[in-house]
Amino acid sequence: QVQLLQSGAEVKKPGASVKVSCKASGYTFSSYDINWVRQASGQGLVWVGWMNPNTGNAGFAQNFQGRVTLTRNSSTSTAYMEMTSLRFEDTAVYYCARAGIGYQYYYGMDVWGQGTTVTVSS
Amino acid sequence: SYVLTQPPSVSVAPGKTARITCGENNISSKSVHWYQQRPGQAPVLVIYYTSDRPSGIPERFSGSNSENTATLTISRVEAGDEADYYCQLWDSGKNLWVFGGGTKLTVL
Repeated sequence: QVQLLQSGAEVKKPGASVKVSCKASGYTFSSYDINWVRQASGQGLVWVGWMNPNTGNAGFAQNFQGRVTLTRNSSTSTAYMEMTSLRFEDTAVYYCARAGIGYQYYYGMDVWGQGTTVTVSS
Repeated sequence: SYVLTQPPSVSVAPGKTARITCGENNISSKSVHWYQQRPGQAPVLVIYYTSDRPSGIPERFSGSNSENTATLTISRVEAGDEADYYCQLWDSGKNLWVFGGGTKLTVL
């Protein structure tokens, strides 16, 4: 079945980097953008960025521009989010979610990963 | 970026109708999506394209859009509907996603 499987929890120190993976299965990887959304404990959903697996093109929310890199390995249908210069306030659950390329307006994010907890602690 | 305006909380008795709003200037001209998030779980799409339901979502869930407010309506509310609900839209002019702040639905 259609699934996004994310990597396990991470604990990092302030200033370090983290790389989270999201492995797609059950559908054509190149047909859907991969989005990243984060949620701090008790807080709402915050969109981080999107990546087109075909072209590698990406877009970011202003708050994450320059600190987040989105990449993919098409041979393994895996997307990656790397965040650098981690701060305490980056502690959150990070979700990946797919959205149809060219159809975002119509269909939203219809499949989500299970989430990856990133904890920034000294 | 900006955030769509949702009430922080809505309460409703079982069997009644819950309405959760999402405010944005001229939202009636946009496609709005809604997500349900139960505690400890990933969000689930419950309404897309303002009023369409994905397969598997009960008919009790419906969506509408008027001028500056989009509305998620849950009819015959059940205890299992207690969750956080988020509205969302795709800003095609800026190629970015926008979420609402979320609404906690409490079933009394």
